[in-house]
Amino acid sequence: GDSVTQTEGLVTLTKGLPVMLNCTYQTTYSPFLFWYVQHLNEAPKLLLKSSTDNKRTEHQGFYATLHKSSSSFHLQKSSVQLSDSALYFCALKRGSALGRLHFGAGTQLIVIP
Amino acid sequence: DAGVTQTPRHEVAEKGQTIILKCEPVSGHNDLFWYRQTKIQGLELLSYFRSKSLMEDGGAFKDRFKAEMLNSSFSTLKIQPTEPKDSAVYLCASSLAKGEVFFGKGTRLTVV
Repeated sequence: GDSVTQTEGLVTLTKGLPVMLNCTYQTTYSPFLFWYVQHLNEAPKLLLKSSTDNKRTEHQGFYATLHKSSSSFHLQKSSVQLSDSALYFCALKRGSALGRLHFGAGTQLIVIP
Repeated sequence: DAGVTQTPRHEVAEKGQTIILKCEPVSGHNDLFWYRQTKIQGLELLSYFRSKSLMEDGGAFKDRFKAEMLNSSFSTLKIQPTEPKDSAVYLCASSLAKGEVFFGKGTRLTVV
C-alpha cells in the first residue's frame, strides 16, 4: 500500500541555521507529494506540493524537490526563524491527485533563540 | 470564504457516552475526510467521502466510529460508546477532487 516515512520525530535548531526534514514514500502509482505545517492549536496548512520529478518548488522560504529515483521529497530551509516552530507533515496522494492523503508521522521542529 | 468549520472545539465526555462531532466543509468541495490526530499515531484516516458517498472507512475504527454526510455541506462523526483511548484531536478536511486539502481546526476530545 501507499506509505510515507518521516525519520525525525523531533528537530531542535538554533535560529538562523539550515534545516532539512526527511520524507520518503512508497507507492506503485505516480506520486503527488505535499508538505503541511501545523502550528500549535491551528489547522494543518499546505506549505508545498509537487508531482514533477527533479523540479524544486518553493514557498515562504521553504523548498523541496521531488526525486522519484530515490522516492524522496525532503523539506529544506536555509535559515530557520522562531516562527518556523511547528509540526511538519509529509503527505502522499496518487498521481491522479484523486482520493485521500497518506500522512507521515510528522516532525516537530523547535527553533530556539 | 469560510474554511472548514468544526464544532465543538473542545468536548469532554465520560466513558460510555455518545458524542457527535460536526463539520462543515468548504462550500463546493466534494471530498470530505475525517482524521484522528494523536502524538503517538499521528494522523489516522477515519473516513473519506466523495460526493456524499463513503469511499474509505478506516478499518480499525469501524467498531464504534460512524461518520455520515447528511448533505454536501454537513458531516458528523459519532463515537459510541466513548473510551478513554479515544482522547485525541479529530480533524475534518475537505477538497475538490484534485485540489488542495483544507483542514478545520479540529475538535479536542477528552474522555474521562
